[in-house]
Amino acid sequence: KQEVTQIPAALSVPEGENLVLNCSFTDSAIYNLQWFRQDPGKGLTSLLLIQSSQREQTSGRLNASLDKSSGRSTLYIAASQPGDSATYLCAVLTSGTYKYIFGTGTRLKVLA
Amino acid sequence: EAGVTQFPSHSVIEKGQTVTLRCDPISGHDNLYWYRRVMGKEIKFLLHFVKESKQDESGMPNNRFLAERTGGTYSTLKVQPAELEDSGVYFCASSRQQGAGSPLHFGNGTRLTVT
Repeated sequence: KQEVTQIPAALSVPEGENLVLNCSFTDSAIYNLQWFRQDPGKGLTSLLLIQSSQREQTSGRLNASLDKSSGRSTLYIAASQPGDSATYLCAVLTSGTYKYIFGTGTRLKVLA
Repeated sequence: EAGVTQFPSHSVIEKGQTVTLRCDPISGHDNLYWYRRVMGKEIKFLLHFVKESKQDESGMPNNRFLAERTGGTYSTLKVQPAELEDSGVYFCASSRQQGAGSPLHFGNGTRLTVT
């Protein structure tokens, strides 16, 4: 049974810092991994989707890496800004299913 | 393109009452998913439609929950009768394709409070 863990649960950093959010999963047989952002009272916004055959994906200041064999993904945020404050969720699509398994998220606060 | 739309955004009902949540997916997205987040827990899968057919309903908690997608467009999720533990945020998501290649697009969710 796939389990997804995110560390840390919460993070507070000063503006301008580079930071790394971690996601680990127990079953390496996956189709893809997706990183989402959730703002309070809002839905989830897809940030990056990494296919199982890929090592990383980049979008602007965001870079997500995937190491399938070790069951890990990281989301790197460069030069953090107060507008980056949100909850970041990773979700894994396990092979043979069409349902994403979510981690509990990392609550990020970037201080001005 | 318009995003995934959910209605209502909030619902407060008493235990034993019935509530119906609605989701309008992005036009052209055959795949529609319902997820739920209860307080302090991770987002969990409820079920998956491909067009009007239920592909996977393994996450539905019990038979008090009924999901439909008549005509393969919008979907409803009915909870009858509601219990206290049904409180949470219900998310709907849609995607163009199943599985690997197609990202999920989520709605803003319906916050359900059962008192």
